[in-house]
Amino acid sequence: AQKVTQAQTEISVVEKEDVTLDCVYETRDTTYYLFWYKQPPSGELVFLIRRNSFDEQNEISGRYSWNFQKSTSSFNFTITASQVVDSAVYFCALSRSANAGGTSYGKLTFGQGTILTVHP
Amino acid sequence: NAGVMQNPRHLVRRRGQEARLRCSPMKGHSHVYWYRQLPEEGLKFMVYLQKENIIDESGMPKERFSAEFPKEGPSILRIQQVVRGDSAAYFCASSPLGGIKTDTQYFGPGTRLTVL
Repeated sequence: AQKVTQAQTEISVVEKEDVTLDCVYETRDTTYYLFWYKQPPSGELVFLIRRNSFDEQNEISGRYSWNFQKSTSSFNFTITASQVVDSAVYFCALSRSANAGGTSYGKLTFGQGTILTVHP
Repeated sequence: NAGVMQNPRHLVRRRGQEARLRCSPMKGHSHVYWYRQLPEEGLKFMVYLQKENIIDESGMPKERFSAEFPKEGPSILRIQQVVRGDSAAYFCASSPLGGIKTDTQYFGPGTRLTVL
């Protein structure tokens, strides 16, 4: 069974602070995919990043960066110099590889989400 | 390119009525997924469909819920005889490849179902 844990239920920061959102996952698969999605107050889900389990390189996109550590089964997300517009619920998710067999590869397993509030 | 479209955005039903939620995937996408977000809970997978096929319905409640993705037209999530516990946000996602490759799922804006 797959599981994603986002231990931080809520985080509150002041604008321009850096903030890291933690994500720990469990899977028996050797190949899998990890994702981060953002859900702003308007309610839609916005795709941020997808990472293959074979690719442990960290990634940076503007103020966003992701740290994937297979040894600790973690895929943490850092926002540098946070802004009020970053206020949202952030979800980490895990899926199986299509090569794993069966039909469950289409299923995203989500963490409970972290509510990030950035104060001006 | 238009994103994933869902309608209605808000739906109010009385207990015992039927709810029909529609999802039009992104252009070029032939794989559709439905998720439910209950209050105070995360997103839970319900069903994965390709055109005219249900691939994985392991997350669908056994009764009252059904889904289809016909050859023509949108995907439909149907809830019969709704109960208050069905009140939730229902999200649809689509991906272009699905079956041959684990693909990124792009989500629609969701349908907020309220059962009175």
